Amino acid sequence: DAGVIQSPRHEVTEMGQEVTLRCKPISGHDYLFWYRQTMMRGLELLIYFNNNVPIDDSGMPEDRFSAKMPNASFSTLKIQPSEPRDSAVYFCASSLPGQWDEQFFGPGTRLTVL
Amino acid sequence: KQEVTQIPAALSVPEGENLVLNCSFTDSAIYNLQWFRQDPGKGLTSLLLIQSSQREQTSGRLNASLDKSSGRSTLYIAASQPGDSATYLCAVNYGQNFVFGPGTRLSVLP
Repeated sequence: DAGVIQSPRHEVTEMGQEVTLRCKPISGHDYLFWYRQTMMRGLELLIYFNNNVPIDDSGMPEDRFSAKMPNASFSTLKIQPSEPRDSAVYFCASSLPGQWDEQFFGPGTRLTVL
Repeated sequence: KQEVTQIPAALSVPEGENLVLNCSFTDSAIYNLQWFRQDPGKGLTSLLLIQSSQREQTSGRLNASLDKSSGRSTLYIAASQPGDSATYLCAVNYGQNFVFGPGTRLSVLP
């Protein structure tokens, strides 16, 4: 298994631009999580899905952030418009049905907003 | 190799007890250490973040300490409640990577 796949691995953009981060969970996993990691705030849960349905988006920082999961094998996290303070590493993770306590993390996307 | 271990793996206590969860890490060159709580069917919830220059952090009934030189952190929970039942994970941030411990599964019995 290839594990959780995220793209791009690195993204550099200018303030005001739209940014789309992509995630492919491990096949058969029905939970998908989006996290953001910064040096000051550590790892924070943004949103998670179960069976493609958003369950809790209370961690999404503001309306500029949105996430979708159109099918079981693909999810996006979009920031529009991006701001310098959005610079962080964004992780996607997935887990098996009933094994919520073992999340498999992707390699992350390092986002830099200039 | 950067490894994080947690002891005990599971813990069951009666309500009202004070308890300590332990986290050990092999590489002391950390940026920060974070304690998380994980409930069934949910993502990780951050409890406390300790920067490498800090010795402890407190939030309500929770207190986390950090001893970088010995590669240890503890999470102290005062006056435990049934609602504290969850899995507690520590995660060490080395800058380029983020290493999780295996977690301690806590059950607080009413």
